[in-house]
Amino acid sequence: GNSVTQMEGPVTLSEEAFLTINCTYTATGYPSLFWYVQYPGEGLQLLLKATKADDKGSNKGFEATYRKETTSFHLEKGSVQVSDSAVYFCALSGPQGGSEKLVFGKGTKLTVNP
Amino acid sequence: GAGVSQSPSNKVTEKGKDVELRCDPISGHTALYWYRQSLGQGLEFLIYFQGNSAPDKSGLPSDRFSAERTGGSVSTLTIQRTQQEDSAVYLCASSLVVGQQYFGPGTRLTVT
Repeated sequence: GNSVTQMEGPVTLSEEAFLTINCTYTATGYPSLFWYVQYPGEGLQLLLKATKADDKGSNKGFEATYRKETTSFHLEKGSVQVSDSAVYFCALSGPQGGSEKLVFGKGTKLTVNP
Repeated sequence: GAGVSQSPSNKVTEKGKDVELRCDPISGHTALYWYRQSLGQGLEFLIYFQGNSAPDKSGLPSDRFSAERTGGSVSTLTIQRTQQEDSAVYLCASSLVVGQQYFGPGTRLTVT
């Protein structure tokens, strides 16, 4: 079945540092790929998505490119802020079992220090 | 507009009791999903509704778990004879467009 593997962390960075969180996937067909973010004490929010190969999703300075050849969707940000401290989840969805359910990675906790 | 709401926000129950968790999706969203978030297992899919029917129940962990959706809106997840391993945060999400799921704040269930 479909699966997602992401760098588990935790990751600790200083403000303005470069961020990469690796994510690779296994899926049949052509899934859509997502990054969700969970800020402390809050619910899951969609951060960005890409629905086909070579698409780049971007939001709030974060970017991820759908790479079919390497089955990857790595999350990057050029300069992180303290407010980016959160848990980040890579996920995919694709028609399987009659639904577009999301399959999540284990999550990566990011802490950004001032 | 209102987002996805869930109640209760926290539930503590004794082992062996039944619990009901409620989800109010975003108005007009036809698809509704239940997930479970636990330390050991991460985020796991439980069940998917399209309207009032559930074409995908593949994630329900045992027959103690059931869910229904009425009027194409509110959904209830019921856990019978709760066990300690059922302790988790239960998340509901709704969707109108494929691939765009909106999550509620979750219900934290603790089984003592």
